[in-house]
Amino acid sequence: QKEVEQDPGPLSVPEGAIVSLNCTYSNSAFQYFMWYRQYSRKGPELLMYTYSSGNKEDGRFTAQVDKSSKYISLFIRDSQPSDSATYLCAMDDLGGGSNYKLTFGKGTLLTVNP
Amino acid sequence: DVKVTQSSRYLVKRTGEKVFLECVQDMDHENMFWYRQDPGLGLRLIYFSYDVKMKEKGDIPEGYSVSREKKERFSLILESASTNQTSMYLCASSLGGATDTQYFGPGTRLTVL
Repeated sequence: QKEVEQDPGPLSVPEGAIVSLNCTYSNSAFQYFMWYRQYSRKGPELLMYTYSSGNKEDGRFTAQVDKSSKYISLFIRDSQPSDSATYLCAMDDLGGGSNYKLTFGKGTLLTVNP
Repeated sequence: DVKVTQSSRYLVKRTGEKVFLECVQDMDHENMFWYRQDPGLGLRLIYFSYDVKMKEKGDIPEGYSVSREKKERFSLILESASTNQTSMYLCASSLGGATDTQYFGPGTRLTVL
């Protein structure tokens, strides 16, 4: 079983739709959860991070963590064509032996159609 | 703004050649990382460095080496390039702590013929 599973998509939605992106993980030591966004021909950039179970909101984006189910989600409200990108989840056990190594999902390719 | 630059956007090399990929960051970050990104396999860590002249193997170090002689510069070396090293190579840097954001460069698309 891979440590982090992420549906690669592709996911295609109309403008204005609510988008749900998800990752599941197997390592219960993960404590720090991130979402990176990667536009075509660019490097990933950090979008959001959270430490604990629950929700964290930033504008149209909401990150949700359910540690009991080992499941994290990123919701995008009122999606825009500019949100078209690959979204990667990433996780860290914060020093439980990983030496700053993040564990990434494979990424989900999202296209928002005007 | 943090800036991570990589020496080339596109590179074409022949099998058996020695290849150098250079990465420079301008924010005095302690940590630097080299990843490769392949369709269906995602981002995989090759090597990282947490200080000058210090390095640790990532998940797929075979066929690669690294050099960090100065804090701002981290080089990835392919001693004898092979076709299975055709990939997108991404460099990243972070300040120093486990939760510090990793900032990525734009990537180098390497093709080995």
